[in-house]
Amino acid sequence: DAKTTQPPSMDCAEGRAANLPCNHSTISGNEYVYWYRQIHSQGPQYIIHGLKNNETNEMASLIITEDRKSSTLILPHATLRDTAVYYCIVRVESQGGKLIFGQGTELSVKP
Amino acid sequence: KAGVTQTPRYLIKTRGQQVTLSCSPISGHRSVSWYQQTPGQGLQFLFEYFSETQRNKGNFPGRFSGRQFSNSRSEMNVSTLELGDSALYLCASSPVGPGYEQYFGPGTRLTVT
Repeated sequence: DAKTTQPPSMDCAEGRAANLPCNHSTISGNEYVYWYRQIHSQGPQYIIHGLKNNETNEMASLIITEDRKSSTLILPHATLRDTAVYYCIVRVESQGGKLIFGQGTELSVKP
Repeated sequence: KAGVTQTPRYLIKTRGQQVTLSCSPISGHRSVSWYQQTPGQGLQFLFEYFSETQRNKGNFPGRFSGRQFSNSRSEMNVSTLELGDSALYLCASSPVGPGYEQYFGPGTRLTVT
């Protein structure tokens, strides 16, 4: 079973920041938080991942709480092309490359 | 670098037949994972191969099998196809094991009639 909980859907206005929350209260100390997104009928696209510290790349920022029980993915200036299903995944290190996907958050960016 | 490629992109088979899907990982990547995506069950992990060895396996029946070649290319096979096997089959590659992101291919859309 997935170790994460996400809201099923969210809306965001184009040009505004999209903040996608994720709860992972049972995360272990050496488990990473990964974010992927999937645009309809395409393969999932890697966005960002982190362990303890906040991370930023050209696509997004990842904010992880100090107790690591939750995180937020931030898309600073959402565009219509960011409309997708966003998956927050806790990677179980003992299970190698296995990613356990939950249901994700369907983000709709509206003009 | 070229991305993960999967062939064929679309496939139609009938019940009882078998099918083989192919995945070519990003150059230099040694880990290949396979996933099945259906509307009802979402994205589910099938198995992972690393250096030609199956390292991890999901909860799928023995009809689903795979292998990896010395050049890291991977194939998965489904025997005795059932209607419920209709799905998008996704392959993902990564350089090595834990801590590295996986990059997904576009998938193979399998329809079983």
